[in-house]
Amino acid sequence: QAVVTQEPSLTVSPGVTVTLTCGSSTGAVTSGHYPYWFQQKPGQAPRTLIYDTSNKNSWTPARFSGSLLGGKAALTLSGAQPEDEADYYCLLSYSGARPVFGGGTKLTVL
Amino acid sequence: EVQLVESGGGLIQPGGSLRLSCAASGFTVSSNYMSWVRQAPGKGLEWVSVIHSGGSTYYADSVKGRFTISRDNSKNTLYLQMNNLRAEDTAVYYCASLHSTWGQGTLVTVSS
Repeated sequence: QAVVTQEPSLTVSPGVTVTLTCGSSTGAVTSGHYPYWFQQKPGQAPRTLIYDTSNKNSWTPARFSGSLLGGKAALTLSGAQPEDEADYYCLLSYSGARPVFGGGTKLTVL
Repeated sequence: EVQLVESGGGLIQPGGSLRLSCAASGFTVSSNYMSWVRQAPGKGLEWVSVIHSGGSTYYADSVKGRFTISRDNSKNTLYLQMNNLRAEDTAVYYCASLHSTWGQGTLVTVSS
């Protein structure tokens, strides 16, 4: 089974732009992996921010965007806010229809 | 309002069985790819299973042969039948349409 890697933790100051990445042990991440990004705050269920690389849901704040960057999937937060402090997970799809989550990135905004 | 509500979790002994349910409202289970995702205490998310709109099903290696995903279109409900449960299956189980909607989760604890 593929291994999906994320930065374990990141700390940023409010207003700063930060990029979280999502890599695959099988090689470059492409649009064919249909990358997802999820946000989870303590004690809450996850919510989907980004699907299929860059598509947003109606509740996804405009400051979040998804892309492919340097062979990885990327989630860019343009101007971090204190309420963005959360765990972020990516998910990649592979052949055989069995997707794999990354280990998650704990984002601290202070 | 689109909503998924899980139920059926609880404390179960190793080797036991449990069936989780996920009732949908404002949303048609049979028209969507529906997944079960779990999260062990203090750990990350783990994909468990999916049922496609066409009915195909897929499982993580960790649960294959023990868990069965299904749906009842008349009840607009998703299920996860879990057999031969192990301590490592202890987790909050979420149903989700991964593009958009997640339930609130139901806790399964496998312990003697």
